[in-house]
Amino acid sequence: QVMLVQSGAEVKKPGASVKVSCKASGYIFSNYDVASGRTMSSYDINWVRQAPGQGLEWMGWMNSNSGNTAYAQKFQGRVTMTRDTSIRTAYMELSSLRSDDTAVYYCARVPPAGIGFDYWGQGTLVTVSS
Amino acid sequence: SYELTQPPAVSVSPGQTASITCSGEKLGYKFACWYQQKPGQSPVLVVSQNNKRPSGIPERFSGSNSGNAATLTISGTQAMDEADYYCQTWDSGTVVFGGGTKLTVL
Repeated sequence: QVMLVQSGAEVKKPGASVKVSCKASGYIFSNYDVASGRTMSSYDINWVRQAPGQGLEWMGWMNSNSGNTAYAQKFQGRVTMTRDTSIRTAYMELSSLRSDDTAVYYCARVPPAGIGFDYWGQGTLVTVSS
Repeated sequence: SYELTQPPAVSVSPGQTASITCSGEKLGYKFACWYQQKPGQSPVLVVSQNNKRPSGIPERFSGSNSGNAATLTISGTQAMDEADYYCQTWDSGTVVFGGGTKLTVL
């Protein structure tokens, strides 16, 4: 079955960076043929965060095949999303951390055509404190 | 930037029908999805593409979307349905979530 397993909780000081991983299993993570330029599947990995007691906040997406990304304007310049297709893992790195970045960070798989965020990771708590 | 507005809280009696609205400009021209989140858990997709139920979601969950609003309807609400619910759409290549609605079953 489809699973997204995230890395463990982190405690960081203000100004530091954090890198959260999201390991995928149970589906074709990346199937891009360089020679033909064709893909057999196309899923995006999105990152969403939730501050304590607050709602869901979208951070950005990355296509597992191409590595193309799009980031929410709020995080432009501070967030980087990457992937290692050899180990089926996506990463989200957030820099220049502030106390208000304290939140649970989720990765989620998104198929095309408006289907929505169909599988979510278990979440990673990032605490920013001096 | 595009915004989705939900009521902060909705209450319903067990067995009755709960409706949660999500308002946004011309939302009916976009896909809307709904997520259920219980305390300490990851969100779960309960309605996809306006009105489709993913596998494993009970039939009592349904959705609609037209004009400037999408609606999540839970028929025969059960105590286990008490949770936070979020609507979500896409606008100009970005993802937008509503602020969330706390559904209380009492």
